[in-house]
Amino acid sequence: AQTVTQSQPEMSVQEAETVTLSCTYDTSESDYYLFWYKQPPSRQMILVIRQEAYKQQNATENRFSVNFQKAAKSFSLKISDSQLGDAAMYFCAYRDTGNQFYFGTGTSLTVIP
Amino acid sequence: DAGVIQSPRHEVTEMGQEVTLRCKPISGHNSLFWYRQTMMRGLELLIYFNNNVPIDDSGMPEDRFSAKMPNASFSTLKIQPSEPRDSAVYFCASSLAHGLAGGETQYFGPGTRLLVL
Repeated sequence: AQTVTQSQPEMSVQEAETVTLSCTYDTSESDYYLFWYKQPPSRQMILVIRQEAYKQQNATENRFSVNFQKAAKSFSLKISDSQLGDAAMYFCAYRDTGNQFYFGTGTSLTVIP
Repeated sequence: DAGVIQSPRHEVTEMGQEVTLRCKPISGHNSLFWYRQTMMRGLELLIYFNNNVPIDDSGMPEDRFSAKMPNASFSTLKIQPSEPRDSAVYFCASSLAHGLAGGETQYFGPGTRLLVL
């Protein structure tokens, strides 16, 4: 079974600085998708970014980018120029060929003004 | 599109009562997921449907939980009888599954906060 591990329960960053959230996963598949979701205090789950495993280029969405290391099964999220609105719980997720999603336990990000 | 719609947004009930949570997926999506989120256990997948058929219900805690998807635009998650340990936020999510060709994202509803007294 696939597992997704987020080893940082909590992280903090100074406003306008950069922070990297870690995620590793375990799989025997070669084709899959990876996602980062954000869950603010409202509890709504919001897609931040996604990465196709067959693509070598790292995905980027404005201030959010990933460092995808397929051989290492690592998928970290970098948030540049952190803003107060970035404070949230961040979940890493893996989607397998059967369209089932597996979520990590989340990293709580605090942004310090 | 209105996104995934869940109702009710909040539910408070007494132990032993039946609770029904409702979900309307995004139009055109063919996969629907029910999750439960608690502080202790995090985000847990309860069940997911593909083309209205339950594919994996191994996450359903016990026989008190049941889920149905009578058509592509509606699903219910029922707890009968409810217990205090069922208190959680229940999320519904939908996606469009085309194997890996689309790599479609799961879109989450706002969740239902359930409190069983």
